[in-house]
Amino acid sequence: AQSVAQPEDQVNVAEGNPLTVKCTYSVSGNPYLFWYVQYPNRGLQFLLKYITGDNLVKGSYGFEAEFNKSQTSFHLKKPSALVSDSALYFCAVRDRKAAGNKLTFGGGTRVLVKP
Amino acid sequence: GAVVSQHPSRVICKSGTSVKIECRSLDFQATTMFWYRQFPKQSLMLMATSNEGSKATYEQGVEKDKFLINHASLTLSTLTVTSAHPEDSSFYICSARRTSGNNEQFFGPGTRLTVL
Repeated sequence: AQSVAQPEDQVNVAEGNPLTVKCTYSVSGNPYLFWYVQYPNRGLQFLLKYITGDNLVKGSYGFEAEFNKSQTSFHLKKPSALVSDSALYFCAVRDRKAAGNKLTFGGGTRVLVKP
Repeated sequence: GAVVSQHPSRVICKSGTSVKIECRSLDFQATTMFWYRQFPKQSLMLMATSNEGSKATYEQGVEKDKFLINHASLTLSTLTVTSAHPEDSSFYICSARRTSGNNEQFFGPGTRLTVL
């Protein structure tokens, strides 16, 4: 079984400050890891993914995430947040060994960037 | 590339009617499509996996006779909510997995269903 935990329901940050959204995962094998962002009444937009290789992954809109196998974490980061980054963020995992290519999503973290 | 569309984007219907939602991969072929349901302020819950030319695979607790899925071509999957009730009101999101490449999923913009 695979699962994802996003321990924070909401993260508040001032514009220009660093932003971190936490994610931990559990899979039986090696993971594929993803971050998506969702704006109100919209579908999910892909931000970045970890497949293999460098543990630090750079994605869209200045976001990056670091894969930490020992801590089973894949936290999303942005050095300087913008008001427009305010949205709902989802971490997702897929077990490489699992059939069906199912993604399991975390509960989501709402990010509010204040001017 | 890798655009997924959904139609309609928003639908309001009366209780007891059936509603069909379309999911299309516009510029790639998708052997597999996924249907998710999202309640307000909650995460996406996988309802079913739709495979082109075969029966869909439903997740535990999802009624296959309630949520009919048809994946008749490599670019189109449909979800029909039969005899809709107010508790079916939700945001329905589909995703499509590219037949070739690294199996990444691409998400549609979602359909807001409101059952009166």
